[in-house]
Amino acid sequence: KAGVTQTPRYLIKTRGQQVTLSCSPISGHRSVSWYQQTPGQGLQFLFEYFSETQRNKGNFPGRFSGRQFSNSRSEMNVSTLELGDSALYLCASRRLGGSRGDTQYFGPGTRLTVL
Amino acid sequence: GQQLNQSPQSMFIQEGEDVSMNCTSSSIFNTWLWYKQDPGEGPVLLIALYKAGELTSNGRLTAQFGITRKDSFLNISASIPSDVGIYFCAGLKDDKIIFGKGTRLHILP
Repeated sequence: KAGVTQTPRYLIKTRGQQVTLSCSPISGHRSVSWYQQTPGQGLQFLFEYFSETQRNKGNFPGRFSGRQFSNSRSEMNVSTLELGDSALYLCASRRLGGSRGDTQYFGPGTRLTVL
Repeated sequence: GQQLNQSPQSMFIQEGEDVSMNCTSSSIFNTWLWYKQDPGEGPVLLIALYKAGELTSNGRLTAQFGITRKDSFLNISASIPSDVGIYFCAGLKDDKIIFGKGTRLHILP
């Protein structure tokens, strides 16, 4: 079974631009979560989507948004990029429901650099 | 809110030594997960624990789900250079997942 995939792996943008990151969960997983990780920092939770609905949200400004499609694929958008948005953005999926369904698996991440 | 205290924050060890790290919380969890992250990559699931008292091994790694359900530890035996990285614990309850801040493992030449 294929793992969580994220595209693109690397991205360079300039301040003020917007960016869209994509995540395809493991087949059968209906929950997708997004995290931001900056150097030396832990995993900062952005939001979680389940069945196309946002079910949990972290403490990030409204410039960060996401959505989930009917096939469980998810996108994350950041508008009006700032230098501080440079980070590794991680997507994670889990099945939810059933035995051991809450176990979460991560993708390889998208490295975003804002110049 | 719920918090996980992961310790130590970093460790410097010699190759071949055993390693021990743990996570504690004031809250009860139903599942504990342990991940390893290499630089620039996503965390990889090492061990999942689903029952209080459960002890699970994965090669040289052993993890236990504390009997109180408020803690978990991860041991690595006979460390090797590729063990270098950041280890994260995560506690899960009611579909919510909380991460520790990570333990950065360094192996001295």
